[in-house]
Parts: sequence; structure tokens; C-alpha cells
Amino acid sequence: QLQLQESGPGLVKPSESLSLTCAVSGGSISSNDYYWGWVRQPPGKGLEWIATIYYRGATYYNPSLKSRIAISVDTSKSQFSLKLNSVTAADTAVYFCARHGVDIVTQGFDSWGQGTLVTVSS
Amino acid sequence: QSVLTQPPSVSGAPGQRVTISCTGSSSNIGAGYNVHWYQQLPGTGPKLLIYGNNNRPSGVPDRFSGSKSGTSASLAITGLQGEDEADYYCQSYDGRLGGWVFGGGTKLTVL
Repeated sequence: QLQLQESGPGLVKPSESLSLTCAVSGGSISSNDYYWGWVRQPPGKGLEWIATIYYRGATYYNPSLKSRIAISVDTSKSQFSLKLNSVTAADTAVYFCARHGVDIVTQGFDSWGQGTLVTVSS
Repeated sequence: QSVLTQPPSVSGAPGQRVTISCTGSSSNIGAGYNVHWYQQLPGTGPKLLIYGNNNRPSGVPDRFSGSKSGTSASLAITGLQGEDEADYYCQSYDGRLGGWVFGGGTKLTVL
């Protein structure tokens, strides 16, 4: 059974960078059928898609965050990562990693990690 | 402001039927991109509940169903149970934005 596990710092200071990693197990990150993405949820608020990557390196970014984010994949370690620069309190959220189908018309996010809370505070 | 619009809350008594709406536009739902629904129980990550407008993943009870028409979609839950109390999110793809979009979420309360 596919498992995704996020890891990250927990607490980041304003203006610094946030780095998160998602470890994938129980399935291949190099599958032709899936993308790998990050979604966040500020406390008490809804879900926001951040970025997505295909194992061959193609990347897709939320336009509202594009100038501050970078997503990467390491197939040898079966993991993908997110870097968010110049963080502010508005970036405080639970960050989820998730798998979603390459067929953007018909497929959703079918597997999710448990999420990791990142707090931006001095 | 979410690209897809959902009511903030709905409620129903055990055994009743409730529906949750999801309104989009011509660049997402109306453009032919399918709608997916997620259930998020308190303190947990989202779980795919309906995919491709009206398909249930294995293990999801048939009390849950989805539909889509024009620029909107709906999630229906029949035979409400206490365990259905959760937040529900719709999701689609937006061709104008070039990315995946979510609704603002709807909190279901079972009275």
C-alpha cells in the first residue's frame, strides 16, 4: 500500500526558507501514471495546491506562489521536496504531500500523507 | 477566495440526505475538467471520496455520490451517519490558471 511521509522543520523564522521532503514507499515514484504534489492548509482554512512534479522532472506551480517555490524529485531516494522562500506568517500551515493522476481531466489526488505543521514565527 | 465555491456549512439529522454544491466557471468545471471530492476528518489528511465526477474508490460506501452539470457539481450523502461529520472539499483543474484548484470546503454537521 502506498505511503507518503512528510518531514520538515516545524518552525521557520520570517524571511527564511522552508524545505520539506516527502518520502514515498509501497509504490514507485517513477510511475508513468502519476504526478507528485504539495498541498497546504492554513489553520482553520481550506486546501491550497502549491506545486506538482513528474518523476522525469516536469514541474507545475501555483501562479500565486511561483516566484517563491521550487519542487524537485530524487528518484534514487524515492522522495520529492519543496522549497518555499521568503516565508511570512501567512505561510503557516499544515503541508501535505500527495499523489495525483497524470490525466488532469479525470483523476484526483488519490493518496495523501498525514501532513506536517509548519509555523512561521520569530 | 477559492476558485471553486462551496457553502461553508451544511447539516442534517441521522438518516437524512444532504447535498454539497461546488460552483466553478468556464475555465475549470465548465471546460470539461472533472470534479473530485475529498473528506477530511478532524486532525487527519484528506481522503479521496469521489473521483471523475461520480466514481467511488474502493471502500467508499454507496451512500456517497457525485454529479456534475455545466459549471457546477454536487456531492450527495444519503443515510447520514455520525461518522460522516467532517469537512468536504471539491477539486478540479483550471485551464486558465494552469493548475489544480480546490473549493473552500464545507463543514458537515450531523445533528
